[in-house]
Amino acid sequence: DTAVSQTPKYLVTQMGNDKSIKCEQNLGHDTMYWYKQDSKKFLKIMFSYNNKELIINETVPNRFSPKSPDKAHLNLHINSLELGDSAVYFCASSHPSGNEKLFFGSGTQLSVL
Amino acid sequence: GESVGLHLPTLSVQEGDNSIINCAYSNSASDYFIWYKQESGKGPQFIIDIRSNMDKRQGQRVTVLLNKTVKHLSLQIAATQPGDSAVYFCADTSGYSTLTFGKGTMLLVSP
Repeated sequence: DTAVSQTPKYLVTQMGNDKSIKCEQNLGHDTMYWYKQDSKKFLKIMFSYNNKELIINETVPNRFSPKSPDKAHLNLHINSLELGDSAVYFCASSHPSGNEKLFFGSGTQLSVL
Repeated sequence: GESVGLHLPTLSVQEGDNSIINCAYSNSASDYFIWYKQESGKGPQFIIDIRSNMDKRQGQRVTVLLNKTVKHLSLQIAATQPGDSAVYFCADTSGYSTLTFGKGTMLLVSP
């Protein structure tokens, strides 16, 4: 059973389109995250949600809107896609108690043409 | 801002050798450290962690060493195998803040 699953695995789209990436975790964690990994493999946090509430929003354009319908799901919606949005996006989850390891999904490779 | 960084972007070793991947962190308040392994096309996977009240922790074929005096973390892999080829990340955190990831080191193991 996959602990953190995200779909789709690959997403190829045109500039200006709107797309969503879905994430679900079955670990019972209260905290979920979205990370962006660039072409140099650098992992940068975008958002963090604790029990459906936004707790971290790094300097991400407001074209990116996370949505958490329940604590097991954190979806990422991106409006008006730009070339620079091309990257691998990872969902992750953890316990909220601090100093806890993150469990990552397998990533969504987004290519904006 | 403060960040975690690595000395070597790529490390090439022969199968059977021991590998050492180094990491320097800058936040003196960091009290929890993790090493992740990321294989091609996959998400980062937890390898081993260590808290600041320890200076060494061993797992299966892996050892993490923490030197808080010089803010240095290392991952040692014994008898490196081709399956160990991946990008390795160190990450640190303090209190309830989120993990800060280093830039990653690619480990290439040749048979």
